[in-house]
Amino acid sequence: GEDVEQSLFLSVREGDSSVINCTYTDSSSTYLYWYKQEPGAGLQLLTYIFSNMDMKQDQRLTVLLNKKDKHLSLRIADTQTGDSAIYFCAESSGGSQGNLIFGKGTKLSVKP
Amino acid sequence: DGGITQSPKYLFRKEGQNVTLSCEQNLNHDAMYWYRQDPGQGLRLIYYSQIVNDFQKGDIAEGYSVSREKKESFPLTVTSAQKNPTAFYLCASTVGTGPYEQYFGPGTRLTVT
Repeated sequence: GEDVEQSLFLSVREGDSSVINCTYTDSSSTYLYWYKQEPGAGLQLLTYIFSNMDMKQDQRLTVLLNKKDKHLSLRIADTQTGDSAIYFCAESSGGSQGNLIFGKGTKLSVKP
Repeated sequence: DGGITQSPKYLFRKEGQNVTLSCEQNLNHDAMYWYRQDPGQGLRLIYYSQIVNDFQKGDIAEGYSVSREKKESFPLTVTSAQKNPTAFYLCASTVGTGPYEQYFGPGTRLTVT
């Protein structure tokens, strides 16, 4: 079945770049997404990428998509302590495009 | 301000009681979703509705029920049949056409003792 995998933890120093990786299984996914969740809050959509794109940049965020390997990454440049959160990768379900399949989330810790 | 509201933020119930969680959106979105989040488990889909008066079961629908009588509202009832109801519940909505971004409410933390 459809599945999205992410590593559970990442720790970086303030000012460094963070790279969060994700693999997915559904090759028919049209869109892939990155969400951010701060403690006790809902999910905030950070960015998404259309499956026919390789890269998308939005200020400090860069998304890279390798469709052949079904690999998605989120790079956060100049990581700040305010970036500490859980980051979720998600893919649109091939069977029902509005439904999303989420990974378990990567907890990013930024040390000063 | 457009958005999704969930109430209450925290909810406490005794075992054996049904409880209803509220979700309202003023984004004019067609589709709405309920997820359950447990530590280390990510998000699991409980129910979703793509149109008024219609809804489908997600991956973990047992012990839950929903209704969609109005486009803006998608309440979730956690019944006494749900074996482990203590969790963080998230409601989301999407316009229903690409790119299908889901927008989330702030969540309700339910504790059943």
